[in-house]
Amino acid sequence: QKEVEQDPGPLSVPEGAIVSLNCTYSNSAFQYFMWYRQYSRKGPELLMYTYSSGNKEDGRFTAQVDKSSKYISLFIRDSQPSDSATYLCAMQGGGFKTIFGAGTRLFVKA
Amino acid sequence: DVKVTQSSRYLVKRTGEKVFLECVQDMDHENMFWYRQDPGLGLRLIYFSYDVKMKEKGDIPEGYSVSREKKERFSLILESASTNQTSMYLCASSLRTGFGANVLTFGAGSRLTVL
Repeated sequence: QKEVEQDPGPLSVPEGAIVSLNCTYSNSAFQYFMWYRQYSRKGPELLMYTYSSGNKEDGRFTAQVDKSSKYISLFIRDSQPSDSATYLCAMQGGGFKTIFGAGTRLFVKA
Repeated sequence: DVKVTQSSRYLVKRTGEKVFLECVQDMDHENMFWYRQDPGLGLRLIYFSYDVKMKEKGDIPEGYSVSREKKERFSLILESASTNQTSMYLCASSLRTGFGANVLTFGAGSRLTVL
């Protein structure tokens, strides 16, 4: 079993839709929960991260962490064609290692 | 604009060749990382370095080695390339020196094809 599970999609939505991206994990030692966005032919870039459980909002993006269920989510409101990318969840314990999900490909249709 | 620069975007090599992938960061970051990215498997850590001349194995170090002679430069070496090393290779750096999140800044990637 992988430490981090993420549905690869693809997920296709119309412009303006609310998008929900999710990951589950098995390691209860994870403390930092991150979302990276990767455009085609580019490296991943950090969108946002949270420490432990709770919600964090940044513009149209909201990250949620439920440590009791080992489940994290990223919500995108009012999705735009420019949001079309692969979204990678990632998690860390206390060290240098980051464990990534396989990524979900998102297409937002104009 | 801060950057992690990978010297080669696309490489095609033959089985058995020695391959060097170079990465340079201009952010004075302490830590540097090499990942490979494969469909369905996500990013997997090959090696990382938390200081000059220091290196640590990641999750899949077999068939690879690294070199960090200067703080800003981290090289990935494939001593004898094999077809199963065909992949996208991503270099990253981070500033984290103690507690806190290890936020990675990635380069654009090097796509290696081994024939």
